[in-house]
Amino acid sequence: AQKITQTQPGMFVQEKEAVTLDCTYDTSDPSYGLFWYKQPSSGEMIFLIYQGSYDQQNATEGRYSLNFQKARKSANLVISASQLGDSAMYFCAMREENQAGTALIFGKGTTLSVSS
Amino acid sequence: DVKVTQSSRYLVKRTGEKVFLECVQDMDHENMFWYRQDPGLGLRLIYFSYDVKMKEKGDIPEGYSVSREKKERFSLILESASTNQTSMYLCASSFETSGLKETQYFGPGTRLLVL
Repeated sequence: AQKITQTQPGMFVQEKEAVTLDCTYDTSDPSYGLFWYKQPSSGEMIFLIYQGSYDQQNATEGRYSLNFQKARKSANLVISASQLGDSAMYFCAMREENQAGTALIFGKGTTLSVSS
Repeated sequence: DVKVTQSSRYLVKRTGEKVFLECVQDMDHENMFWYRQDPGLGLRLIYFSYDVKMKEKGDIPEGYSVSREKKERFSLILESASTNQTSMYLCASSFETSGLKETQYFGPGTRLLVL
């Protein structure tokens, strides 16, 4: 079974609008961390935002926020006021407590296209 | 700024060739990782290393080997390249820590084409 599921292969949004990229995860570990990365066409993965399973509040970083619903095991990325430069592939990833310090588990990604 | 560099952005090799992909990081990170990225499959871990001369297999190690002789450098080796190894290869590094929050820093990737 997939540990990280991103069900939207592609999303389209107009400039200045908000967009939500979906991510659901599967773990039995009560302690885990969730990450979102952006990958522009240049290829480099850029870290955007982190949410810990015990964090009381949803994470926010500038225009990025994470809609964390623990009971539903979802960690959706919300990008407010989209910009043309937001066009990229976005990956959701997870690290479980028993794998701390090691590799991340990635979803298959969502391609976001922002139009003017 | 953390810097992770990879020796080539694009590489074209022939089937059966031995291929070396080099990765260097300048942040004194203990952990280094090699991922493979394919359309529709996301990133999959090939190997990682948590110290010099130490290595651990990831999810898809078959057909690959790695070398870590110095802390800052982690090499991925395709002993005999095959067409199904045509892919994007991403190197990453991070500090050794028991914390969940420790993020990984990625290089720009190497797009390998095996003919």
